[in-house]
Amino acid sequence: SQTIHQWPATLVQPVGSPLSLECTVEGTSNPNLYWYRQAAGRGLQLLFYSVGIGQISSEVPQNLSASRPQDRQFILSSKKLLLSDSGFYLCAWLPSGQPKNTEAFFGQGTRLTVV
Amino acid sequence: GDSVTQMEGPVTLSEEAFLTINCTYTATGYPSLFWYVQYPGEGLQLLLKATKADDKGSNKGFEATYRKETTSFHLEKGSVQVSDSAVYFCALSRDNAGNMLTFGGGTRLMVKP
Repeated sequence: SQTIHQWPATLVQPVGSPLSLECTVEGTSNPNLYWYRQAAGRGLQLLFYSVGIGQISSEVPQNLSASRPQDRQFILSSKKLLLSDSGFYLCAWLPSGQPKNTEAFFGQGTRLTVV
Repeated sequence: GDSVTQMEGPVTLSEEAFLTINCTYTATGYPSLFWYVQYPGEGLQLLLKATKADDKGSNKGFEATYRKETTSFHLEKGSVQVSDSAVYFCALSRDNAGNMLTFGGGTRLMVKP
């Protein structure tokens, strides 16, 4: 069966420090991968998605970047965190080439607090 | 672009009360519609979905009907339980390269015993 791992679960980082959040998927190949952010009092915002190794699409301009160095690994990074980067970050995956009504699977999330 | 609008929460109900969470969407074509639920401290999981007009998705006593004429997908449950306390997200997906979901703002439901 497929599983998705996301870590760390909680992170407190000072302003200006770097960030690296990792997400890995097991039990499938060539998945579509996504990073979402849920800011306090707001809904889920799509940050990045990837349909293949090295292929990254950005949905919003920001202080963050994403990379996909391996088929089932998706990394969210920042060189210098801002206070506004605080939030709950969720990684998700979908099997590629499936119809639009296919269920997406989410990781447990990372709560990031920038202080 | 695509968008999903949900009623703002929190919604506070007593156990066994009737629940409605409104959701409307804007999208071209014929999107698929979803309700995802986020229990405290967890990621999202699919609650139900509908693919075309007049489809009804249902799961765990929750229901939602795809209404194309009103571009709505309201979530309902006849009798809520304390264990239903969670954040509920309405979402849509269209045929595109990434098949990504567009989410509403989420509605927090609190059920009191």
